[in-house]
Amino acid sequence: EVQLVESGGGLVKPGGSLRLSCAASGFTFSSYSMNWVRQAPGKGLEWVSSISSSSSYIYYADSVKGRFTISRDNAKNSLYLQMNSLRAEDTAVYYCARDRPNGGTADYWGQGTLVTVSS
Amino acid sequence: DIQMTQSPSTLSASVGDRVTITCRASQSISSWLAWYQQKPGKAPKLLIYKASSLESGVPSRFSGSGSGTEFTLTISSLQPDDFATYYCQQYNSYPLTFGPGTKVDIK
Repeated sequence: EVQLVESGGGLVKPGGSLRLSCAASGFTFSSYSMNWVRQAPGKGLEWVSSISSSSSYIYYADSVKGRFTISRDNAKNSLYLQMNSLRAEDTAVYYCARDRPNGGTADYWGQGTLVTVSS
Repeated sequence: DIQMTQSPSTLSASVGDRVTITCRASQSISSWLAWYQQKPGKAPKLLIYKASSLESGVPSRFSGSGSGTEFTLTISSLQPDDFATYYCQQYNSYPLTFGPGTKVDIK
């Protein structure tokens, strides 16, 4: 069974940093591209970042470029999102999501981890 | 960036109704469109990919159509479990973008 479990969320002050993790199981992690998608309270879905299976290709939303870094450790079946210079508008539930086998869109999602940026 | 719009933003319907949601892209995305269902407090669930392909395990009352810039999600006979918010998403190019969502509630 495919499982994605996010961790690392919490309350952080503006300008602070946080590192999110996503532990994957139930599939060959190293064969799949992965994504982070976020959802601000009461708002819609916003794509944040994607990384290819071997980390060769990495993409970011303009809203986080230069502040967030996506990475993965295929030996540990883990996906990460390093978030620096956090702003109030980064407050959201952050979801880890796996791309479909032939790529393109996400078929499995974690339960999400809440990041709150507030003083 | 490709902008996605959805209509209506809210839809009130009854069990058994046929429901159609429209999604439009600001430029052609071929068939690189997905539909997701999301319930409060839960992660999104993939329903349709490549505009019209039904994801495994999704009931056949859900169907998708369209190509280019205009797409539709149809629920042939609305069931109690279908009251939720529905999002379209283009994956033709980065940045990936979602529509603003359509909330389907009980009439």
